Amino acid sequence: KAGVTQTPRYLIKTRGQQVTLSCSPISGHRSVSWYQQTPGQGLQFLFEYFSETQRNKGNFPGRFSGRQFSNSRSEMNVSTLELGDSALYLCASSLEGHTNYGYTFGSGTRLTVV
Amino acid sequence: GENVEQHPSTLSVQEGDSAVIKCTYSDSASNYFPWYKQELGKRPQLIIDIRSNVGEKKDQRIAVTLNKTAKHFSLHITETQPEDSAVYFCAASWNTNAGKSTFGDGTTLTVKP
Repeated sequence: KAGVTQTPRYLIKTRGQQVTLSCSPISGHRSVSWYQQTPGQGLQFLFEYFSETQRNKGNFPGRFSGRQFSNSRSEMNVSTLELGDSALYLCASSLEGHTNYGYTFGSGTRLTVV
Repeated sequence: GENVEQHPSTLSVQEGDSAVIKCTYSDSASNYFPWYKQELGKRPQLIIDIRSNVGEKKDQRIAVTLNKTAKHFSLHITETQPEDSAVYFCAASWNTNAGKSTFGDGTTLTVKP
């Protein structure tokens, strides 16, 4: 079956702009989690959506937001981009949540803010 | 919240040797402990996991052990091969926060032929 699809793969944005990233989970998976990966900070949890509801949220500012659609596809949005937002954003799909089955990660969107 | 510490940050071994990576966690409520392997430029992939009701789990050359009392778990790779070279992440999560997990900072394993 198809894996987790993230689009776009690469993005270059200017400070102050906003960006929307997309994630399509594995068919049948209802949980989508988002992580920010940077060389110095590892994998940091952003938020998790389950059945169109945000179930968990990490310690990121309100500029980071997300949503999930009825087909389980999820988007995350970052407004007023800062240089420090440059990172690899990974989407992780799971059937019910990480504690039951583990994650299947997408290939990520590499965001560069200039 | 949960805190996961992972050691060492880098590990270099000769092909055929064993490699051990250790993680400690802070929240005794954590009950699921996966390990992910991330090759250069690729996505993290789940390689093995263990739940809190089990002390050890093996899958061919890899094994994970869990000590709930001491709140630490370890990844063991035997007969290492150059293709084992990657960054390995441990993670911890618990049922009441399903969908969220805390990751260690990663261990860069280099297997020298």
